Amino acid sequence: DSGVTQTPKHLITATGQRVTLRCSPRSGDLSVYWYQQSLDQGLQFLIQYYNGEERAKGNILERFSAQQFPDLHSELNLSSLELGDSALYFCASSVGSGGNQPQHFGDGTRLSIL
Amino acid sequence: DQQVKQNSPSLSVQEGRISILNCDYTNSMFDYFLWYKKYPAEGPTFLISISSIKDKNEDGRFTVFLNKSAKHLSLHIVPSQPGDSAVYFCAAERDAGGTSYGKLTFGQGTILTVHP
Repeated sequence: DSGVTQTPKHLITATGQRVTLRCSPRSGDLSVYWYQQSLDQGLQFLIQYYNGEERAKGNILERFSAQQFPDLHSELNLSSLELGDSALYFCASSVGSGGNQPQHFGDGTRLSIL
Repeated sequence: DQQVKQNSPSLSVQEGRISILNCDYTNSMFDYFLWYKKYPAEGPTFLISISSIKDKNEDGRFTVFLNKSAKHLSLHIVPSQPGDSAVYFCAAERDAGGTSYGKLTFGQGTILTVHP
């Protein structure tokens, strides 16, 4: 158990809809990272938050947004969903703002778009 | 552009023998490297890491070697156990002064099967 909690584990929805994925980091960790794992792309970095502020951004679509709240949990919002958004979405956390420290991953949310 | 490559999709090893998983990278700005293990229906689990100022790091049965000039790293597991059967990912991180602060770039993974 990594200590990172992601909910829900599975999500099934339709094209055009909006969903919210939730992540609670390990106790004491201030950074939260979001990754997308699709069959053809592998694990891709989306975005990082540190202590409530956006820290780094990857190839995150404009339809996707995230935030980190004062209690340090984070939410990833996906809107105007398309079939290609079907993937596993992982959250990870680390103690500091990044750099030379391991990230610890949750078990992911599997998103299926019908 | 695949900056981190694991060229072997799978590896099969006998219990008790050594498992060697390989990873190559192209971006010379990477300075921190990690190995993760992943079981089905679970998230990646951190195994071991190495900074670019070192060429070797050990933790129990796991040793990571880094060859910066060849842009190559490897994970040695010895002795291998059936419970080590999983997908192994290598990941790399850029220099902390860059804009990719904290971003991990992952390889595609290698499926390790350890036979009893």
